[in-house]
Amino acid sequence: SQQGEEDPQALSIQEGENATMNCSYKTSINNLQWYRQNSGRGLVHLILIRSNEREKHSGRLRVTLDTSKKSSSLLITASRAADTASYFCATTLGGTSYGKLTFGQGTILTVHP
Amino acid sequence: DTEVTQTPKHLVMGMTNKKSLKCEQHMGHRAMYWYKQKAKKPPELMFVYSYEKLSINESVPSRFSPECPNSSLLNLHLHALQPEDSALYLCASSPGLAGGPAKNIQYFGAGTRLSVL
Repeated sequence: SQQGEEDPQALSIQEGENATMNCSYKTSINNLQWYRQNSGRGLVHLILIRSNEREKHSGRLRVTLDTSKKSSSLLITASRAADTASYFCATTLGGTSYGKLTFGQGTILTVHP
Repeated sequence: DTEVTQTPKHLVMGMTNKKSLKCEQHMGHRAMYWYKQKAKKPPELMFVYSYEKLSINESVPSRFSPECPNSSLLNLHLHALQPEDSALYLCASSPGLAGGPAKNIQYFGAGTRLSVL
């Protein structure tokens, strides 16, 4: 099964509200990333958090990582209609799996103007 | 230039056709990837090239044949595909073994939307 599972599968909010997405994984990781995908397009890297980090910020994005619970969350503050997209977490195992990103199922975020 | 360029954007092919998907990057990245993505699903890794050598093949059927002519180019040759192979095919690149944690950040192209009739 997929390394990462995401929750919720879909999220619908109003502009200005905050959006929180969660990701869980099953094995030890080197790092965890979040990507955004606009409909039918390629993925765009948002943020990377290393296994020894607990929280990271980038603009309106805040990512947390809890390695004891094997989970991560992505918070988007003050959401905008342009944030409407699918969001995926992706884990890197390293070693012989170098280069292999394993994606979660994704959260579809809809931000209404 | 942080762009990965994929051509064509759309491709329709019959089950007996032979076609190729192309991917190009000029970021000096030494790792390149092919993914397949079905609607409302995450990308599934197909192949990884590291320093122009195939390093990961995720048990992909032989009707998909990757090729890495040089460090900037990646091709995916398609032959005798099935309708269930219809999907968005994504190419990505990453810096490679050097570059610290950033080596794991992948840069994606916009994809080729493939329809097999």
